[in-house]
Amino acid sequence: GAVVSQHPSWVICKSGTSVKIECRSLDFQATTMFWYRQFPKQSLMLMATSNEGSKATYEQGVEKDKFLINHASLTLSTLTVTSAHPEDSSFYICSASGGPLAREQYFGPGTRLTVT
Amino acid sequence: KQEVTQIPAALSVPEGENLVLNCSFTDSAIYNLQWFRQDPGKGLTSLLLIQSSQREQTSGRLNASLDKSSGRSTLYIAASQPGDSATYLCAVRPDGNKLVFGAGTILRVKS
Repeated sequence: GAVVSQHPSWVICKSGTSVKIECRSLDFQATTMFWYRQFPKQSLMLMATSNEGSKATYEQGVEKDKFLINHASLTLSTLTVTSAHPEDSSFYICSASGGPLAREQYFGPGTRLTVT
Repeated sequence: KQEVTQIPAALSVPEGENLVLNCSFTDSAIYNLQWFRQDPGKGLTSLLLIQSSQREQTSGRLNASLDKSSGRSTLYIAASQPGDSATYLCAVRPDGNKLVFGAGTILRVKS
C-alpha cells in the first residue's frame, strides 16, 4: 500500500514553455501533498505544501506565480512550471500523506525536468 | 530554524563491512526522524522511522538509533552488500508534517 506515482518521469522542454507534472496517490486519500526540488548531489528542498481543496502554502523564496500547484482531488496534485528557464532544470519529487497528523509521507519516484 | 547535517558526505567500503552513518539536527523538538534510501535518478524509499519517544528501530540488517536530547541519530548497516550502494538521507519532522532533510551520505559498497 501507500503508493505514489508521478508523471512524466522525465521531460525536456524549451525555454519559455510551461510544463505540468502530476502526482497521484494510488491507494489512499492524500489530504496533504508536498512538492520538493532536488539539485544534483544536493538534498531535497521543500517548495510547497498543498491541502486538498485549498491554496498551496509556499516556502520562502519559492515563486508562487512560477510554480503553480493545484490539489483538486484527494488523489491528484499537479505542479506547473510556467515560462520555464534552464535554471528550473531539476529533479522534482512529490510526497503525499493522509493529513496533518499522518505518521509519514510517501514519496513518488520523481520527475527529471530539463529546460533547453 | 532546524538544520540537519549528515556525516560523512561519502563513504566507500568493501563488501561485508559494518558501517555507521551519522545524522545530527540542531533543534531537539522533533516528532520523528526518518532514514531514506535514494538510488540515482529515483525517488525515496523509507527505511526506518523513529518516533521521538523511541530510542531505536530495526529492520533486517539496518538499525537506527535516536538520541533526541543531543540531536543525533545513527544508521547502522551490518554486513554491507553492493546492493546497499545508494544515497542515504536523514530527515526530521519538526512540526506539522513538514520534513527537513540532510544533504545525504553517498555510500558505495565494493564487491
